[in-house]
Amino acid sequence: LAKTTQPISMDSYEGQEVNITCSHNNIATNDYITWYQQFPSQGPRFIIQGYKTKVTNEVASLFIPADRKSSTLSLPRVSLSDTAVYYCLVGDPGSSASKIIFGSGTRLSIRP
Amino acid sequence: DAGVIQSPRHEVTEMGQEVTLRCKPISGHDYLFWYRQTMMRGLELLIYFNNNVPIDDSGMPEDRFSAKMPNASFSTLKIQPSEPRDSAVYFCASRGDDGTSSNTEAFFGQGTRLTVV
Repeated sequence: LAKTTQPISMDSYEGQEVNITCSHNNIATNDYITWYQQFPSQGPRFIIQGYKTKVTNEVASLFIPADRKSSTLSLPRVSLSDTAVYYCLVGDPGSSASKIIFGSGTRLSIRP
Repeated sequence: DAGVIQSPRHEVTEMGQEVTLRCKPISGHDYLFWYRQTMMRGLELLIYFNNNVPIDDSGMPEDRFSAKMPNASFSTLKIQPSEPRDSAVYFCASRGDDGTSSNTEAFFGQGTRLTVV
């Protein structure tokens, strides 16, 4: 499994755009990049997944450069409710032995 | 579907007692995962099943922990005997396999907060 590295914590203010970058230098050809969000006292929740270039949904955008050794989760115009831990995961979803392993995540704090 | 259902939501037990945590995955999902979360160790994968068969239990901390999946709609995680260091939030998650190569979305339950005193 490819190891991921992301900042331990980040702070921002309401209305700002927040970008969280994850490094995954050893990503394999069949690996996808997935981001989860976890609020206090809840289980993690899937946010977005991508393989290359850019993916956008109603919650976030995911930017993946051509070499795929890193990825950036972009949250537009954050609010207080976006305060959570964000996890970057890398793995091969098509593998029958596909574990879902979480790292330390990035603790995002949004201030008024 | 009501999502992944875990019970109980909270459990307080005395050291040495047996504890059983329960999970009902989303209907039709082929994979079931058990995680443990603590402040010190984060979110750890304990064991996961595919089609009711345990695939990898390398994350199970010791022989006191055991997990079963007797059918596609039910799984248990048992700790016997329990110890104070087992205190944590235990999450169950399930994932489907729709045959595409990009499906990794796992759905988590609300967790069971276990306190061993």
